[in-house]
Amino acid sequence: EPEVTQTPSHQVTQMGQEVILRCVPISNHLYFYWYRQILGQKVEFLVSFYNNEISEKSEIFDDQFSVERPDGSNFTLKIRSTKLEDSAMYFCASSVRGGSYEQYFGPGTRLTVT
Amino acid sequence: AQSVTQLDSQVPVFEEAPVELRCNYSSSVSVYLFWYVQYPNQGLQLLLKYLSGSTLVKGINGFEAEFNKSQTSFHLRKPSVHISDTAEYFCAVSEGYGGATNKLIFGTGTLLAVQP
Repeated sequence: EPEVTQTPSHQVTQMGQEVILRCVPISNHLYFYWYRQILGQKVEFLVSFYNNEISEKSEIFDDQFSVERPDGSNFTLKIRSTKLEDSAMYFCASSVRGGSYEQYFGPGTRLTVT
Repeated sequence: AQSVTQLDSQVPVFEEAPVELRCNYSSSVSVYLFWYVQYPNQGLQLLLKYLSGSTLVKGINGFEAEFNKSQTSFHLRKPSVHISDTAEYFCAVSEGYGGATNKLIFGTGTLLAVQP
């Protein structure tokens, strides 16, 4: 069964450094998402991406964040200058379409900022 | 804006007992409702969803949920749990038909701890 994959599974970085989290969505999916979950808190929406552009972003997704689909398979989340409060589990998701269509989640990347 | 409340952060239950995990939502527009499960060190997996029609929806692993519009609830139930059901369960909502957004709004999760 097709699945969303994410790399790395765990990333440790120092405050102020740039990180890129990578995701490979399911191949025929057209909508892509990033969510994050700070330890002990709820899963929060960050951004959705369709047709090579951001379709929606949350207030969390400030200028430090960017997303890109550099080729036909990868979907990346970049944090330009990490802060301690960026430490969280980051989940990538994809869906074949929007609306009622199921979002398939990857296993997540645990980002630890020291 | 939508919000989701899962009042129970943890629900301990004995194996083969029934369980209900509670979820309430608030929204000014029609919604789609979802339950996701997260096993340790894994991603979120869809258990079931309500889009429209019959208010009782059945999902994987013997789970079911009932949509109650008047009480704005979408409680998850299973008549007999197994040890393997131990996991975190998340209720989520998104805007319904014609909505401008696809984002999921999640509750804080309920840890179902099944004991032998």
